[in-house]
Amino acid sequence: QKEVEQDPGPLSVPEGAIVSLNCTYSNSAFQYFMWYRQYSRKGPELLMYTYSSGNKEDGRFTAQVDKSSKYISLFIRDSQPSDSATYLCAMSGGSGGSNYKLTFGKGTLLTVNP
Amino acid sequence: GAVVSQHPSRVICKSGTSVKIECRSLDFQATTMFWYRQFPKKSLMLMATSNEGSKATYEQGVEKDKFLINHASLTLSTLTVTSAHPEDSSFYICSASDSNQPQHFGDGTRLSIL
Repeated sequence: QKEVEQDPGPLSVPEGAIVSLNCTYSNSAFQYFMWYRQYSRKGPELLMYTYSSGNKEDGRFTAQVDKSSKYISLFIRDSQPSDSATYLCAMSGGSGGSNYKLTFGKGTLLTVNP
Repeated sequence: GAVVSQHPSRVICKSGTSVKIECRSLDFQATTMFWYRQFPKKSLMLMATSNEGSKATYEQGVEKDKFLINHASLTLSTLTVTSAHPEDSSFYICSASDSNQPQHFGDGTRLSIL
C-alpha cells in the first residue's frame, strides 16, 4: 500500500460545479496537510495548508482533514475554467525544516468546461 | 508572500554541458530548500534536501556527483547538472521553507539535453 493514494482522474466537470478531490493515507505520523495546484509546465502553487483534523475555508476552496479515517478532501465551489489544473495533495510529519519532507499523492487532473 | 523564483525557466544545451539552476526565496529566509524532478504526468520526485551552510542530503539513487547542490545563503540555492546527457532531460523544481512555513515552489526549469 502506498503512503498516499490519490485518484489521478482525469476529472471533467461543467463550469459552476462543485468539485471534490480526495486523498487517503496510511502513515499516522502525518500532521500537516497541503493541497497544491499545478498548471501545465509550472511549479506547484500552495492552495491550502492545514494542521491536524478539521476544516479550513479560503474563498471558493475548503479543505477537510479527518485523521481518524486518514482521509483529506479539497472542495472547489463554483468551479471556473481557470481551475483546470492538476491538484496534488501532500502531507508531512511537521511544518517546515529538513526533517519534514513532503509525501505527495499522484495528483488529479481536473478540467472545468465552459 | 512566500515567493520562490527559479531561473532559468528553460534550458536547451548539448550533451556534456554543465547546467546551473538557481532558486531564490524573495521575501523570506529559507532555512531549507528542496530539489525535485518531475517526469511527464508524474508526481514530484524528491532529489535532495539542503540546509543553509550544510551539505545537501540526497535521496537514494540520486548521484551527488552528477547533481551538485549549493545552499550558500538563506535566500539562494543552486543545482548544477554536471556533464548532462539526454537522460537528464526533465523538469526540475525547487522549493523553499523556513521553520514555520510549508514548502513554496518555484516555477520549474525545463531542461533539454540534445
